[in-house]
Amino acid sequence: ETGVTQTPRHLVMGMTNKKSLKCEQHLGHNAMYWYKQSAKKPLELMFVYSLEERVENNSVPSRFSPECPNSSHLFLHLHTLQPEDSALYLCASSQEFLASYEQYFGPGTRLTVT
Amino acid sequence: GENVEQHPSTLSVQEGDSAVIKCTYSDSASNYFPWYKQELGKRPQLIIDIRSNVGEKKDQRIAVTLNKTAKHFSLHITETQPEDSAVYFCAAMGGSQGNLIFGKGTKLSVKP
Repeated sequence: ETGVTQTPRHLVMGMTNKKSLKCEQHLGHNAMYWYKQSAKKPLELMFVYSLEERVENNSVPSRFSPECPNSSHLFLHLHTLQPEDSALYLCASSQEFLASYEQYFGPGTRLTVT
Repeated sequence: GENVEQHPSTLSVQEGDSAVIKCTYSDSASNYFPWYKQELGKRPQLIIDIRSNVGEKKDQRIAVTLNKTAKHFSLHITETQPEDSAVYFCAAMGGSQGNLIFGKGTKLSVKP
């Protein structure tokens, strides 16, 4: 269960804070993903990176800013969030993008915006 | 784009019974259909998948069937056990999009 790791596991932040979520994969994969999981919209894709290039941005508000410095690391920078952004944020990786490979999920970061 | 509908949203069965979860998809060009299981407080994990060149796939107590003409696929769990209790997500991929599009999930409860 250590293929994809995420930190922190829990985060409480105010609406004016700036924080970052970190994801790291140790599987040698070329594609990485950010998902938002909430009661209303389970497993909602936010961003996709393939070989460190962003290939998908699913109409995500600009208060979420992804960064992929290399193929093993993915960040999600958060600023001026809203209470409705409270959710579980899951990172995933797969061998390649645009191919039918299994996605391996991290344990998630439980975010609460107060 | 692709749209995946999943039913039922909740399912309760007695231990030993079978459980069936159904999904439909809209993009006829989709060609990969995985199922993920998410236990309470844990990450989603792939349990079985099927590609569009086959109609059925089995792995011990779980099986997936695919009807390309009708654009639906189903997960079948036989001889259910309490540890099968979880949320199950279907997904579809291919066609006009390279992403996995997930259904809304089915919460399966297996009562001992």
